[in-house]
Amino acid sequence: AQSVTQPDIHITVSEGASLELRCNYSYGATPYLFWYVQSPGQGLQLLLKYFSGDTLVQGIKGFEAEFKRSQSSFNLRKPSVHWSDAAEYFCAVGRGNTGFQKLVFGTGTRLLVSP
Amino acid sequence: GAVVSQHPSRVICKSGTSVKIECRSLDFQATTMFWYRQFPKKSLMLMATSNEGSKATYEQGVEKDKFLINHASLTLSTLTVTSAHPEDSSFYICSAYPGQGAPGELFFGEGSRLTVL
Repeated sequence: AQSVTQPDIHITVSEGASLELRCNYSYGATPYLFWYVQSPGQGLQLLLKYFSGDTLVQGIKGFEAEFKRSQSSFNLRKPSVHWSDAAEYFCAVGRGNTGFQKLVFGTGTRLLVSP
Repeated sequence: GAVVSQHPSRVICKSGTSVKIECRSLDFQATTMFWYRQFPKKSLMLMATSNEGSKATYEQGVEKDKFLINHASLTLSTLTVTSAHPEDSSFYICSAYPGQGAPGELFFGEGSRLTVL
């Protein structure tokens, strides 16, 4: 069965510093991978996705993620964090036998941004 | 981008009563909608898949008689928590798939927080 692990429950980063959020997945075939952000009072918003091709994917708000098959990882990065990036971040893998519509989510990482 | 709206955003009810949560796709038609439950400090757990005009498909372990799902139109799915108990208190989130575009690209509602007293 597919699973997603986000080992960091919360991370604190200084504004302007770089960020990396870790995500490891378990999936037998080539995965469809996603990163979502959840801000208070708002729905989950898709940051970026990986289906195939270039393993470094660019997303919105200056985020990027790199798919590393050998490490079963899809870590999210941002070179310079802004205070508005404080939110909960979820990594997810699409279940292939359902047309990738059913997502399995990690437990999330809460990002705190310090001044 | 596409907008999905949930109503109500917060609801408090007494134990034993039923509560209905609506999920609407505001600017697109959604052939498929999904309902998730999110526990504190836990991930989103898929409860069921709602298909317009047909019965919902429930994930293993989800009580279909307690969590009634109706997808009566291409823009509306409802989740009714029947005979709610305190353990049903949770954050419920819906998502919708437009039926075209990239696989797995879903649009999520803001969530509905249910508190059962």
